[in-house]
Amino acid sequence: AQKVTQTQTSISVMEKTTVTMDCVYETQDSSYFLFWYKQTASGEIVFLIRQDSYKKENATVGHYSLNFQKPKSSIGLIITATQIEDSAVYFCAMRGQGGSAKLIFGEGTKLTVSS
Amino acid sequence: EAAVTQSPRNKVAVTGGKVTLSCNQTNNHNNMYWYRQDTGHGLRLIHYSYGAGSTEKGDIPDGYKASRPSQENFSLILELATPSQTSVYFCASGDALGVGTGQLYFGEGSKLTVL
Repeated sequence: AQKVTQTQTSISVMEKTTVTMDCVYETQDSSYFLFWYKQTASGEIVFLIRQDSYKKENATVGHYSLNFQKPKSSIGLIITATQIEDSAVYFCAMRGQGGSAKLIFGEGTKLTVSS
Repeated sequence: EAAVTQSPRNKVAVTGGKVTLSCNQTNNHNNMYWYRQDTGHGLRLIHYSYGAGSTEKGDIPDGYKASRPSQENFSLILELATPSQTSVYFCASGDALGVGTGQLYFGEGSKLTVL
């Protein structure tokens, strides 16, 4: 069975610093796909970034990047130069091999960015 | 921009009553999903669908039924609602992984209270 775990319940950082959020996963699939989503205070959930398990390069989009450590079944989200508006709940998610639509999420990490 | 709309946005039901949550997407996505969100549990997958006429059980399907009568519509049905089903429910749609990022687009959420 697949499982995604985020052990950090909440993180607080100062504006303009770098933060890393942890995520570990379990899967039997030989290839899989990892995602990070953000939920704002209004409840809106939006996609941030994706990592394919067969790619060695870490994905980067804007000031979001990933630290993919396949041997450790770990996919960390790194946010550089944090801004107040980055305050939100961040979810890690996993999807199995190409034909499967099933996407499961972790418990989420609440990020608070202060000035 | 992809659009997913849910109705009702807020619902108060009585124990033992029937509740139907509806979801409509105008993105022509094949895949649709129902999740519930509770504090400490993140987003948990209830049912999902690969297309019209298809429904699949997610990780917590007990007490819920799903219906996908068309590409655009996906409903979640609680035949006998219980207080433990009080939660916020999110619908999402998405395409196959080979199409774009394979990301999900979420609705605004439906808050259900069962008394």
